[in-house]
Amino acid sequence: GAGVSQSPSNKVTEKGKDVELRCDPISGHTALYWYRQSLGQGLEFLIYFQGNSAPDKSGLPSDRFSAERTGGSVSTLTIQRTQQEDSAVYLCASSPRGGAGVGEQYFGPGTRLTVT
Amino acid sequence: AQSVAQPEDQVNVAEGNPLTVKCTYSVSGNPYLFWYVQYPNRGLQFLLKYITGDNLVKGSYGFEAEFNKSQTSFHLKKPSALVSDSALYFCAVRDKDRDDKIIFGKGTRLHILP
Repeated sequence: GAGVSQSPSNKVTEKGKDVELRCDPISGHTALYWYRQSLGQGLEFLIYFQGNSAPDKSGLPSDRFSAERTGGSVSTLTIQRTQQEDSAVYLCASSPRGGAGVGEQYFGPGTRLTVT
Repeated sequence: AQSVAQPEDQVNVAEGNPLTVKCTYSVSGNPYLFWYVQYPNRGLQFLLKYITGDNLVKGSYGFEAEFNKSQTSFHLKKPSALVSDSALYFCAVRDKDRDDKIIFGKGTRLHILP
């Protein structure tokens, strides 16, 4: 079946521009996560959705970052007025809340964002 | 809140030797514990999990992990390391106190030396 997809796969943008990153989770997965990963480093948690609500937004680095999820499915991460320190790979993962796969996260391929 | 700790940033093991990647956790109640792997230039993949039952959990690529409640540990192991096991490994726990959010450790880079 289809996995988690993210678009675009690569995005190069100029400093100060806004960008939108999209995540399509696995159908039926209620949980959706956004992470950021700098080259070869650990995962930096950004935000977590259960359905359309975000119980935990504590990882968003600044008010330039926002995310929404509609219909319990697609999520969009928006970064306004991008800065060079925003350059990283942005990963999305989805997870079922119950059943045999509870807690298992399925990761998308990521969006590599480069701010010039 | 639940948490996991991976005390080693990097582990080096000779090919053919047994490997262990350490993880300790702090939870209230019974933990749900996970291991994930990220191979070079590839996405993160689920390896194995512990929810209940046998303390020794077997996963993909010949890996296993042992749940030890008294030591609050969930170390990842493999009897004989392969060069292709070189990757970044993450331990994770489900935080039941925070709406089932999954909390990741900072990761351990495993180098298998030929």
